[in-house]
Amino acid sequence: EADIYQTPRYLVIGTGKKITLECSQTMGHDKMYWYQQDPGMELHLIHYSYGVNSTEKGDLSSESTVSRIRTEHFPLTLESARPSHTSQYLCASRERGAGANVLTFGAGSRLTVL
Amino acid sequence: KNEVEQSPQNLTAQEGEFITINCSYSVGISALHWLQQHPGGGIVSLFMLSSGKKKHGRLIATINIQEKHSSLHITASHPRDSAVYICAVEGGDKLIFGTGTRLQVFP
Repeated sequence: EADIYQTPRYLVIGTGKKITLECSQTMGHDKMYWYQQDPGMELHLIHYSYGVNSTEKGDLSSESTVSRIRTEHFPLTLESARPSHTSQYLCASRERGAGANVLTFGAGSRLTVL
Repeated sequence: KNEVEQSPQNLTAQEGEFITINCSYSVGISALHWLQQHPGGGIVSLFMLSSGKKKHGRLIATINIQEKHSSLHITASHPRDSAVYICAVEGGDKLIFGTGTRLQVFP
């Protein structure tokens, strides 16, 4: 069962528009992540958070921002979308704790910028 | 050279065949993940392991830390196993992903 929800699933917008991709999880996980994935390519980390008011940039510069005001909510915002932002965006979460824990992924948001 | 290499990139099989997907990595890790991605994009975590072997149903994952290598096996493959299988290694709480192995199982 999906305990992590992403909206919208699909979005087509014009260049220059501001968009927010929503991600919510009901598992009380402290750690949340945003990944970008182009077709046939590996996932790249763009932002992550270890808890409320904690956000960090990942390895890929995506010209996006995130916020973590509530544990369950981790939205990703593109201030001015460009065609190069066309991609799939995947949100994930995991528990904080000693040792590694499995990731739970959302279904993804597929963005097309015209 | 990518830090995580998977082979093969593409794999086709007949229903019932035994499948092996390989993952080699070049960095020190604390854990290795096997993930499954179906058409439409959703990703499911199959295994997380740091040593030895794990089994879940028809799926078996093994890891050899000394050789920096892991394998995912599917016994008695079925068309519903058709998906992209992704290996990801973890060091310092960040994951490095392979590009995936696309598996198609035909009836």
